[in-house]
Amino acid sequence: GAGVSQSPSNKVTEKGKDVELRCDPISGHTALYWYRQSLGQGLEFLIYFQGNSAPDKSGLPSDRFSAERTGGSVSTLTIQRTQQEDSAVYLCASSSGQGNSPLHFGNGTRLTVT
Amino acid sequence: GESVGLHLPTLSVQEGDNSIINCAYSNSASDYFIWYKQESGKGPQFIIDIRSNMDKRQGQRVTVLLNKTVKHLSLQIAATQPGDSAVYFCAESYYGKLTFGQGTILTVHP
Repeated sequence: GAGVSQSPSNKVTEKGKDVELRCDPISGHTALYWYRQSLGQGLEFLIYFQGNSAPDKSGLPSDRFSAERTGGSVSTLTIQRTQQEDSAVYLCASSSGQGNSPLHFGNGTRLTVT
Repeated sequence: GESVGLHLPTLSVQEGDNSIINCAYSNSASDYFIWYKQESGKGPQFIIDIRSNMDKRQGQRVTVLLNKTVKHLSLQIAATQPGDSAVYFCAESYYGKLTFGQGTILTVHP
């Protein structure tokens, strides 16, 4: 079956512009996560959606970052007024949400802010 | 200016050797642990997981050991192959939120 799909795979934007990154999770997965990975670094947690519960936004680095999950499926991560330090790979993952279950990752969106 | 480079721990082994990658986790209340493999340009790929009520779990060519006393996790790869070359991350889960370690670069020489 299809895995987690992210689009675009690459995005180059000018400083100050807004960007939207999209994630299509595995069908039926109720939990969805966004992580950020800078060059040569580990994964930094951003936000976590679980079913109809309020999302855990504790990892969002500033109020320029926001995310939505519509209809319990597709998610969009929005970065407003992008800065150069926002350049990174943004990874989306989903899981079944049943007890302890592994996250399945997409291949990420590489964001470059010039 | 300062060059941007990889500052992750590295492990180099010969093909056919066994590899051991170590990880220290931070939250003694974490109840679930996962090892991921990440190849260049791809997202992390699930390798093996273990729950906190276990201390060892085996998969195909891989074994994960959990020592809760010292908050330590290890991944053992048997008969390492060149295709195993990648960055390996451990992750700990607490209430469904996964926190990742810094990663280890494994290089397998033919």
